[in-house]
Parts: sequence; structure tokens; C-alpha cells
Amino acid sequence: DAKTTQPTSMDCAEGRAANLPCNHSTISGNEYVYWYRQIHSQGPQYIIHGLKNNETNEMASLIITEDRKSSTLILPHATLRDTAVYYCIVSDGGTSYGKLTFGQGTILTVHP
Amino acid sequence: DAGVIQSPRHEVTEMGQEVTLRCKPISGHDYLFWYRQTMMRGLELLIYFNNNVPIDDSGMPEDRFSAKMPNASFSTLKIQPSEPRDSAVYFCASRPDSGYNEQFFGPGTRLTVL
Repeated sequence: DAKTTQPTSMDCAEGRAANLPCNHSTISGNEYVYWYRQIHSQGPQYIIHGLKNNETNEMASLIITEDRKSSTLILPHATLRDTAVYYCIVSDGGTSYGKLTFGQGTILTVHP
Repeated sequence: DAGVIQSPRHEVTEMGQEVTLRCKPISGHDYLFWYRQTMMRGLELLIYFNNNVPIDDSGMPEDRFSAKMPNASFSTLKIQPSEPRDSAVYFCASRPDSGYNEQFFGPGTRLTVL
């Protein structure tokens, strides 16, 4: 699986958009971009994933650049409960593959 | 659905003792994963199963670790004998064979080996 690079930490004011970047310059054509987050003392939680098109769900939006070498996770209106470690993962995780390789992630702190 | 269930939530044991961690995946999920998380190494995949069959155990650190999945609703991770460096949070996760990798994680077992 391709390696990802994320900033170690970021801050965001409550109610503002949080934009978390991720670089994955060695991503291959069949690899998806996944985002998970881990709130303190809990197991990781799936947020969203995408291949090449931008995606949106009830939690977040995922913007993938045209060359697919980087992406941004957007939390449109961050709340204090969004304080967590956010992991960007590249995986060819389709029906035949199960592996997710978690890096160090970005520690997002949302402050009042 | 209650989600992925793990037991015990906390385990404190002495070096050399056998430790068994348990996991009940979400009903209908075909994949089951065991992860370990430490401050030094982060979140590591130890082993995963598909339809109760171990598919990749390359993350199992050594022979002291073993995992089984006797049926679709139960899995164990055993450490024998345990060592202080095994202290970590162990997560179990499951997912359906849906075509993408949304894994559902349990609350974890915090293991302390004295």
C-alpha cells in the first residue's frame, strides 16, 4: 500500500471548517483513500473513502486532487467532539483485501 | 446491533501468565481483524480472518501470540507466556464483504503485564 504523509497536529475553532490534508504521492490506480478517526480511549471510526471523485456524507467531505496525489478531509462545522486523531490511509481494500495500515495520523484539537 | 464486543475491557496480569482476549464480531460480517496499539508503534494489524479462515498473520509478533476463530461469532487472541512489552490496547474489528473497507472497531482491551 502507498505511504501517506499528514501533519502531526492541527487546531480548529469550534464552528469553523476543519481541513485536514494528506499526501499520497505514490498511490496507484486501484487504491482508495480512506479516512478514519480515533477519539481518545475509543476504537477507530470510519469516516469516508474515495477513489478519484469527491465524496460527501453526513460526517465529512473528501476532496481528492485530479492527479490523486493528495486529498483533504473537510469537517464543515467542527465541534468539540471532533477532537481526535485523524488517519488517512491508502488501501486497495476491495472485496478480496482487508488490510488497513494506520500511520501516526493528525491530532485535531477543536477549541471553543 | 450491539457492535463489536470485546472482553475483558481491562486485564492486569503478571509476566509469564497466559492471557486470552475475546471478540464477538457484528453478525453477518465476514472479516475479523485483531490490532494492537501502543504509544511507540501506533496501531498495528496483527492478523485478520475471512470467513473464519486466517488470511494474513504477518503482523503477529512472535510464536507467543496465537489467534483462532472457531465460528463466525467468536474469536480469541491468546498470549502465552505474556511479557511486559505486550502491554497495549488490543482492538478487534469486523466488516462485511461489501466491496470497501469500512471496519467497525470494538472498544478495545487494555492489557497490562507486570
